[in-house]
Amino acid sequence: SQQGEEDPQALSIQEGENATMNCSYKTSINNLQWYRQNSGRGLVHLILIRSNEREKHSGRLRVTLDTSKKSSSLLITASRAADTASYFCATSTQGAQKLVFGQGTRLTINP
Amino acid sequence: SAVISQKPSRDICQRGTSLTIQCQVDSQVTMMFWYRQQPGQSLTLIATANQGSEATYESGFVIDKFPISRPNLTFSTLTVSNMSPEDSSIYLCSVAALRYGYTFGSGTRLTVV
Repeated sequence: SQQGEEDPQALSIQEGENATMNCSYKTSINNLQWYRQNSGRGLVHLILIRSNEREKHSGRLRVTLDTSKKSSSLLITASRAADTASYFCATSTQGAQKLVFGQGTRLTINP
Repeated sequence: SAVISQKPSRDICQRGTSLTIQCQVDSQVTMMFWYRQQPGQSLTLIATANQGSEATYESGFVIDKFPISRPNLTFSTLTVSNMSPEDSSIYLCSVAALRYGYTFGSGTRLTVV
Protein backbone atom coordinates (compact mmCIF):
# COMPACT_ATOMS: atom_id res chain seq x y z
CA SER A 1 0.00 0.00 0.00
CA GLN A 2 1.12 3.53 -0.59
CA GLN A 3 2.65 5.22 2.39
CA GLY A 4 3.02 8.71 1.06
CA GLU A 5 0.48 11.28 0.13
CA GLU A 6 1.42 14.22 -2.00
CA ASP A 7 -0.26 17.50 -2.59
CA PRO A 8 -1.21 19.04 -4.75
CA GLN A 9 -2.06 16.24 -7.16
CA ALA A 10 -1.63 18.69 -10.00
CA LEU A 11 0.05 22.08 -10.19
CA SER A 12 0.16 24.50 -13.09
CA ILE A 13 2.32 27.63 -12.94
CA GLN A 14 3.99 30.15 -15.22
CA GLU A 15 7.58 29.79 -16.26
CA GLY A 16 9.87 31.59 -13.85
CA GLU A 17 7.64 31.05 -10.83
CA ASN A 18 8.51 28.75 -7.96
CA ALA A 19 6.80 25.38 -7.54
CA THR A 20 6.26 23.74 -4.17
CA MET A 21 5.13 20.15 -3.70
CA ASN A 22 4.45 18.45 -0.40
CA CYS A 23 4.69 14.85 0.74
CA SER A 24 3.46 13.20 3.92
CA TYR A 25 4.23 9.71 5.16
CA LYS A 26 3.05 7.48 7.96
CA THR A 27 5.91 5.55 9.52
CA SER A 28 9.46 6.24 10.68
CA ILE A 29 11.88 6.48 7.81
CA ASN A 30 15.57 6.10 7.07
CA ASN A 31 15.53 8.57 4.22
CA LEU A 32 13.19 10.29 1.80
CA GLN A 33 13.86 10.75 -1.88
CA TRP A 34 12.33 12.78 -4.67
CA TYR A 35 12.07 11.56 -8.25
CA ARG A 36 10.94 13.05 -11.53
CA GLN A 37 9.15 11.15 -14.28
CA ASN A 38 8.68 12.52 -17.77
CA SER A 39 5.76 11.24 -19.84
CA GLY A 40 5.39 7.90 -18.05
CA ARG A 41 8.97 6.86 -18.63
CA GLY A 42 11.69 5.87 -16.17
CA LEU A 43 12.23 7.79 -12.98
CA VAL A 44 15.13 10.15 -12.45
CA HIS A 45 16.52 10.55 -8.95
CA LEU A 46 16.58 14.20 -7.87
CA ILE A 47 17.63 14.34 -4.26
CA LEU A 48 17.89 12.23 -1.12
CA ILE A 49 17.48 13.57 2.40
CA ARG A 50 18.28 11.48 5.44
CA SER A 51 16.12 11.33 8.52
CA ASN A 52 18.67 13.34 10.54
CA GLU A 53 18.75 16.15 7.97
CA ARG A 54 16.30 19.03 7.81
CA GLU A 55 17.13 20.72 4.53
CA LYS A 56 19.07 20.00 1.41
CA HIS A 57 19.81 21.92 -1.78
CA SER A 58 20.75 20.84 -5.25
CA GLY A 59 20.83 23.50 -7.92
CA ARG A 60 17.30 24.93 -8.22
CA LEU A 61 15.92 22.27 -5.89
CA ARG A 62 15.37 22.67 -2.18
CA VAL A 63 14.04 19.85 -0.04
CA THR A 64 12.96 20.07 3.57
CA LEU A 65 12.14 17.26 5.95
CA ASP A 66 10.15 17.51 9.17
CA THR A 67 10.20 14.12 10.88
CA SER A 68 7.98 15.32 13.71
CA LYS A 69 5.23 16.06 11.19
CA LYS A 70 6.25 13.21 8.89
CA SER A 71 6.33 15.53 5.94
CA SER A 72 8.66 16.83 3.26
CA SER A 73 8.51 19.55 0.65
CA LEU A 74 10.22 19.99 -2.70
CA LEU A 75 10.73 23.52 -3.98
CA ILE A 76 11.76 24.17 -7.56
CA THR A 77 12.84 27.77 -8.03
CA ALA A 78 12.73 29.74 -11.27
CA SER A 79 10.79 27.01 -13.05
CA ARG A 80 11.38 26.17 -16.70
CA ALA A 81 9.20 24.50 -19.30
CA ALA A 82 11.52 21.49 -19.11
CA ASP A 83 10.50 21.00 -15.47
CA THR A 84 7.09 19.82 -16.66
CA ALA A 85 6.83 16.27 -15.31
CA SER A 86 5.39 14.18 -12.50
CA TYR A 87 7.23 14.34 -9.19
CA PHE A 88 7.17 11.56 -6.62
CA CYS A 89 8.44 11.28 -3.10
CA ALA A 90 9.58 7.88 -1.89
CA THR A 91 10.60 6.65 1.53
CA SER A 92 12.74 3.82 2.77
CA THR A 93 12.78 2.45 6.28
CA GLN A 94 15.66 1.22 8.41
CA GLY A 95 16.78 -2.22 7.32
CA ALA A 96 14.66 -2.28 4.16
CA GLN A 97 15.99 -1.17 0.82
CA LYS A 98 12.64 -1.10 -0.95
CA LEU A 99 11.00 2.24 -1.66
CA VAL A 100 7.41 3.21 -0.94
CA PHE A 101 6.12 5.91 -3.26
CA GLY A 102 3.71 8.75 -2.76
CA GLN A 103 0.88 9.43 -5.18
CA GLY A 104 2.82 12.06 -7.08
CA THR A 105 2.29 15.64 -8.24
CA ARG A 106 1.81 16.42 -11.91
CA LEU A 107 3.59 19.72 -12.56
CA THR A 108 2.94 21.79 -15.67
CA ILE A 109 5.07 24.85 -16.45
CA ASN A 110 3.37 27.20 -18.88
CA PRO A 111 5.67 29.23 -21.14
CA SER B 1 25.46 5.21 -10.38
CA ALA B 2 24.38 2.02 -12.15
CA VAL B 3 23.01 2.04 -15.69
CA ILE B 4 20.02 -0.20 -16.42
CA SER B 5 18.97 -1.46 -19.81
CA GLN B 6 15.32 -2.53 -19.81
CA LYS B 7 13.51 -4.14 -22.69
CA PRO B 8 11.17 -4.20 -24.40
CA SER B 9 10.30 -0.52 -24.10
CA ARG B 10 6.72 -1.22 -25.08
CA ASP B 11 4.53 -4.05 -26.29
CA ILE B 12 0.95 -4.76 -27.22
CA CYS B 13 -0.12 -8.27 -26.24
CA GLN B 14 -3.16 -10.45 -26.61
CA ARG B 15 -5.03 -11.42 -23.47
CA GLY B 16 -4.09 -14.85 -22.16
CA THR B 17 -0.49 -14.62 -23.33
CA SER B 18 2.66 -13.87 -21.32
CA LEU B 19 5.38 -11.25 -21.66
CA THR B 20 8.89 -11.40 -20.23
CA ILE B 21 10.65 -8.13 -19.41
CA GLN B 22 14.41 -8.04 -19.06
CA CYS B 23 16.67 -5.77 -17.04
CA GLN B 24 20.43 -5.72 -17.45
CA VAL B 25 22.59 -3.71 -15.04
CA ASP B 26 26.12 -2.59 -15.87
CA SER B 27 27.41 -3.52 -12.40
CA GLN B 28 26.77 -6.19 -9.82
CA VAL B 29 23.95 -5.42 -7.41
CA THR B 30 22.57 -7.44 -4.56
CA MET B 31 18.90 -6.59 -4.92
CA MET B 32 16.76 -5.63 -7.87
CA PHE B 33 13.22 -4.37 -7.55
CA TRP B 34 10.24 -4.64 -9.88
CA TYR B 35 7.49 -2.01 -9.83
CA ARG B 36 4.16 -1.60 -11.56
CA GLN B 37 2.69 1.77 -12.45
CA GLN B 38 -0.93 1.62 -13.51
CA PRO B 39 -2.25 4.39 -15.77
CA GLY B 40 -2.17 7.75 -14.00
CA GLN B 41 -1.04 6.16 -10.76
CA SER B 42 2.08 5.96 -8.64
CA LEU B 43 4.54 3.08 -8.45
CA THR B 44 3.74 -0.07 -6.50
CA LEU B 45 6.43 -2.58 -5.62
CA ILE B 46 5.74 -6.03 -7.04
CA ALA B 47 8.73 -7.93 -5.65
CA THR B 48 12.37 -7.86 -4.68
CA ALA B 49 14.59 -10.10 -6.80
CA ASN B 50 17.41 -11.73 -4.86
CA GLN B 51 20.25 -13.57 -6.54
CA GLY B 52 20.32 -17.24 -5.60
CA SER B 53 16.96 -17.32 -3.87
CA GLU B 54 13.28 -16.86 -4.61
CA ALA B 55 11.94 -13.39 -5.07
CA THR B 56 10.12 -11.73 -2.19
CA TYR B 57 6.63 -10.67 -3.25
CA GLU B 58 4.57 -7.82 -1.83
CA SER B 59 1.02 -8.25 -0.67
CA GLY B 60 -1.32 -8.68 -3.62
CA PHE B 61 1.31 -10.09 -5.97
CA VAL B 62 1.96 -13.80 -6.46
CA ILE B 63 4.67 -15.82 -8.12
CA ASP B 64 2.31 -17.63 -10.48
CA LYS B 65 1.23 -14.33 -12.00
CA PHE B 66 4.60 -12.54 -11.89
CA PRO B 67 7.41 -15.10 -11.95
CA ILE B 68 10.85 -13.54 -11.56
CA SER B 69 14.26 -14.87 -12.42
CA ARG B 70 17.59 -13.62 -11.06
CA PRO B 71 20.30 -15.86 -12.54
CA ASN B 72 23.20 -13.54 -11.61
CA LEU B 73 24.01 -10.20 -10.00
CA THR B 74 23.51 -8.15 -13.17
CA PHE B 75 20.34 -9.52 -14.71
CA SER B 76 16.69 -10.17 -13.88
CA THR B 77 13.47 -10.89 -15.70
CA LEU B 78 9.84 -10.34 -14.79
CA THR B 79 7.13 -12.29 -16.58
CA VAL B 80 3.55 -11.09 -16.66
CA SER B 81 1.55 -14.29 -17.11
CA ASN B 82 -1.89 -15.00 -18.52
CA MET B 83 -2.42 -11.33 -19.19
CA SER B 84 -5.69 -9.46 -19.02
CA PRO B 85 -6.43 -5.80 -19.88
CA GLU B 86 -6.06 -4.99 -16.16
CA ASP B 87 -2.34 -5.78 -16.51
CA SER B 88 -1.88 -2.83 -18.85
CA SER B 89 0.70 -0.73 -17.01
CA ILE B 90 4.25 0.48 -17.05
CA TYR B 91 6.63 -2.00 -15.46
CA LEU B 92 9.95 -0.73 -14.11
CA CYS B 93 13.00 -2.37 -12.64
CA SER B 94 15.23 -0.62 -10.15
CA VAL B 95 18.44 -1.06 -8.22
CA ALA B 96 19.60 0.65 -5.08
CA ALA B 97 22.59 2.95 -5.30
CA LEU B 98 22.66 3.58 -1.57
CA ARG B 99 24.11 7.09 -1.19
CA TYR B 100 22.71 8.30 -4.46
CA GLY B 101 19.19 7.01 -4.40
CA TYR B 102 17.87 4.41 -6.74
CA THR B 103 18.34 3.95 -10.45
CA PHE B 104 15.38 2.97 -12.61
CA GLY B 105 15.12 1.35 -15.97
CA SER B 106 13.32 3.29 -18.68
CA GLY B 107 10.20 1.20 -18.21
CA THR B 108 8.13 -1.20 -20.28
CA ARG B 109 4.75 0.14 -21.38
CA LEU B 110 2.45 -2.87 -21.69
CA THR B 111 -0.94 -2.77 -23.37
CA VAL B 112 -3.12 -5.88 -23.24
CA VAL B 113 -5.90 -6.12 -25.79
